[in-house]
Amino acid sequence: GDSVTQMEGPVTLSEEAFLTINCTYTATGYPSLFWYVQYPGEGLQLLLKATKADDKGSNKGFEATYRKETTSFHLEKGSVQVSDSAVYFCALSSNQGGKLIFGQGTELSVKP
Amino acid sequence: EAGVTQFPSHSVIEKGQTVTLRCDPISGHDNLYWYRRVMGKEIKFLLHFVKESKQDESGMPNNRFLAERTGGTYSTLKVQPAELEDSGVYFCASSPAGGFPYEQYFGPGTRLTVT
Repeated sequence: GDSVTQMEGPVTLSEEAFLTINCTYTATGYPSLFWYVQYPGEGLQLLLKATKADDKGSNKGFEATYRKETTSFHLEKGSVQVSDSAVYFCALSSNQGGKLIFGQGTELSVKP
Repeated sequence: EAGVTQFPSHSVIEKGQTVTLRCDPISGHDNLYWYRRVMGKEIKFLLHFVKESKQDESGMPNNRFLAERTGGTYSTLKVQPAELEDSGVYFCASSPAGGFPYEQYFGPGTRLTVT
């Protein structure tokens, strides 16, 4: 069945460092891909999305490109801030309006 | 516009007891989903309502879990009797019919601890 694998955490970075969180997926057909973020004490928020191959999702300085050839959707940010400390989840959906399949989450901690 | 709300935010119960979680979706959202994250693992799908009908309940772990969505508005998830392995964070999400493909809006979650 469909699945998502993302790099394990926790990841600890210094402020202004470059961030990459790897995410790969297995799916039949052409899924939509998402990154969700959960800040401490809050619910999940959609960070960015891509619905077809080669699409780039971007928001708040974060980017991810839908790579069908490598079945990947890696999250990147050029310069992280302390406020980016959160848990990041990669997810896919294969069916319109249907369930999301999540990776295990990557906890990011950014130190001043 | 109010977001997805969940109640309670935290529940601690003993094994064998019953707990009912509630989710109020964003007003007008036909789709309502339940998910669960156990012990820092991946978030797993439980079920999907379209209005008051169960569209997909393939993720429900066993018959100790009962979900309802009265009148297509709020939803409840009852666990009876609770077991230790039911501990985790239960998330509810909603999305509009015909909205941006697959974008779901999540509530803050209910942390369930079974002792």
